[in-house]
Amino acid sequence: AQSVTQLGSHVSVSEGALVLLRCNYSSSVPPYLFWYVQYPNQGLQLLLKYTSAATLVKGINGFEAEFKKSETSFHLTKPSAHMSDAAEYFCAVSRGGGADGLTFGKGTHLIIQP
Amino acid sequence: EAGVAQSPRYKIIEKRQSVAFWCNPISGHATLYWYQQILGQGPKLLIQFQNNGVVDDSQLPKDRFSAERLKGVDSTLKIQPAKLEDSAVYLCASSFPGQTSYNEQFFGPGTRLTVL
Repeated sequence: AQSVTQLGSHVSVSEGALVLLRCNYSSSVPPYLFWYVQYPNQGLQLLLKYTSAATLVKGINGFEAEFKKSETSFHLTKPSAHMSDAAEYFCAVSRGGGADGLTFGKGTHLIIQP
Repeated sequence: EAGVAQSPRYKIIEKRQSVAFWCNPISGHATLYWYQQILGQGPKLLIQFQNNGVVDDSQLPKDRFSAERLKGVDSTLKIQPAKLEDSAVYLCASSFPGQTSYNEQFFGPGTRLTVL
């Protein structure tokens, strides 16, 4: 079964610093991978997705992620953090086999220090 | 384009009571999902519909949870009877089906359930 592991339940960075949120996946088939963001009391919003077209994926709000098969990783990065990036971030993998519901990681809470 | 609508936004019930949640997906989206998000965890898929048929309900606790999507549009998720551990946010999502498994899912704001 597909699964994802997010390292670090909380990550704190200074405004303007590099953001790095880690995600490792386990999948028996080539995975479809996603990063979602959740602001307080709101639903999830898609940041970006990996669909095997390119290993470096660019998303919204300046975020990007690189798919590394050898490391089974799909880490999310942003060169310069902004206060508005403070939120909960979830890595997810498609369950596959025609049933494309998502399996999510436990989430990483991103804190931006002024 | 209107987003995924859910109601109610908040619900507080006593254990052993019944509760129902409603979801209206984005117009034209044939695929609908229900997820359960317990505090401090990522969402967990409960059930996936394609039109009015069930595609995946392997993680739905069928002894107390039920869901339907009779006309292939709106959906209702029911818990009967509720337990304390059912306290969570219930998220509905929809997507436009295609030939692949990576169509974007659009999420509603969720219903926060508290079971006392």
